[in-house]
Amino acid sequence: GQQLNQSPQSMFIQEGEDVSMNCTSSSIFNTWLWYKQEPGEGPVLLIALYKAGELTSNGRLTAQFGITRKDSFLNISASIPSDVGIYFCAGHGGSQGNLIFGKGTKLSVKP
Amino acid sequence: SQTIHQWPATLVQPVGSPLSLECTVEGTSNPNLYWYRQAAGRGLQLLFYSVGIGQISSEVPQNLSASRPQDRQFILSSKKLLLSDSGFYLCAWSFRDRVREQFFGPGTRLTVL
Repeated sequence: GQQLNQSPQSMFIQEGEDVSMNCTSSSIFNTWLWYKQEPGEGPVLLIALYKAGELTSNGRLTAQFGITRKDSFLNISASIPSDVGIYFCAGHGGSQGNLIFGKGTKLSVKP
Repeated sequence: SQTIHQWPATLVQPVGSPLSLECTVEGTSNPNLYWYRQAAGRGLQLLFYSVGIGQISSEVPQNLSASRPQDRQFILSSKKLLLSDSGFYLCAWSFRDRVREQFFGPGTRLTVL
């Protein structure tokens, strides 16, 4: 079946640093999504990407849909303590309800 | 605007007891509804999804079942809980014509002892 490899698994950074994480897939996706989850809460949708090569920003967050349609990355610029959480990528292959999630990148930000 | 509710927020149940988790969506009609489980390893596993009242698709055969008695209500159930049913259960919804963007509820933390 379809699988997503998300890396890194965890990151420990200093406040103000930029962050980059990515997801790769063994198969093609039609949509890439990035979510953030804080402890004890449900994931919150950050960015949705629909076209290969698409680059989309949401404040300090920027995500891109890879040209091959098999990867996506998320960048966070000038990190702040409230960026702490687990970031998930998710891909949609086109079938009804079939959203595949990565295992997440746990981000820790030191003030 | 749309909102999604789940209850209870936390639940501790003994092995062999029944389960009923409820999810409701407000502010939209005819949503697609989803149940996910998130285990300690952080990954999200799709359990069930529904495109309408009484219509349930199961992604993973297991000890759980789902029902959709009303348009904006989705219920996750079990007749007899197992230890392995412990986890964080998330309900999500999407617009019928935009299934790729799913919006999650706050989740229910289930501990089976």
